[in-house]
Amino acid sequence: GENVEQHPSTLSVQEGDSAVIKCTYSDSASNYFPWYKQELGKRPQLIIDIRSNVGEKKDQRIAVTLNKTAKHFSLHITETQPEDSAVYFCAASLIEGGGADGLTFGKGTHLIIQP
Amino acid sequence: NAGVTQTPKFQVLKTGQSMTLQCAQDMNHEYMSWYRQDPGMGLRLIHYSVGAGITDQGEVPNGYNVSRSTTEDFPLRLLSAAPSQTSVYFCASSYFSGSRPSTDTQYFGPGTRLTVL
Repeated sequence: GENVEQHPSTLSVQEGDSAVIKCTYSDSASNYFPWYKQELGKRPQLIIDIRSNVGEKKDQRIAVTLNKTAKHFSLHITETQPEDSAVYFCAASLIEGGGADGLTFGKGTHLIIQP
Repeated sequence: NAGVTQTPKFQVLKTGQSMTLQCAQDMNHEYMSWYRQDPGMGLRLIHYSVGAGITDQGEVPNGYNVSRSTTEDFPLRLLSAAPSQTSVYFCASSYFSGSRPSTDTQYFGPGTRLTVL
C-alpha cells in the first residue's frame, strides 16, 4: 500500500519568515495530495490540495508544489503569522478527493511560529 | 447543515467491553471513512464506505466493524475493547462533484476521544 513520509516533525520559524514542509510518497499511481491543518484538540481541516496533473497551486500565503517524477510534494507558507502555529499533515490517495479509497497520511509536522 | 457529527465526545471503557461510535452527516455525502489518530502516528484509515451497503477495510481494520445501512450514518463498532484501541477517532465524509475539485475532499467530524483501561 501507499506510504507517506513527512519532514520535519517539528519546525520553528520566526514570525514573518517562510516555512516549508516536505512529503514523499511511494505509490506512483497516487493522484491526489491534500494538506490538513490541525490545531490542538480540534479536527483536521483542509487548507489546500493538488491533483496529479498540476505542478503548483497557490492560495494567498499558502502554496503546494508537486513533483510526480520524484514522488514528492511540499507545502510552502510565506509571511508566517502566530495563527499558523499548528500541526500540519500531508496525505495521498489514488482517487481524487480521497473519499473513494481513503487517505494515507504523513505523521505530521508541528509548526511553531516564534514572535 | 450540522456537517459531520460524532457521538460521544469522550468515552472510557474497560478491556473487553464493546461499544459503538456514532457518525452522521447531513450533506448527502456518498463517501464516509473512519480514522484513528495516535500521538506521532498521524491519522490511519480503519474502514471506509463509498455508499449505502458498501464498506471496505483500510490500513488498521482489526478489532473494528462497520456497516452502512443509510447514506447519513456510518457507525464504528468495537467488538472487544483493548488498551491498544485508546485513541482519538475521526469520522470523515465527502462527495465527488467532478466540476468543483476543491469540494471533493474529505471533511472531518469533531472526533471521539476513547480511553480503554
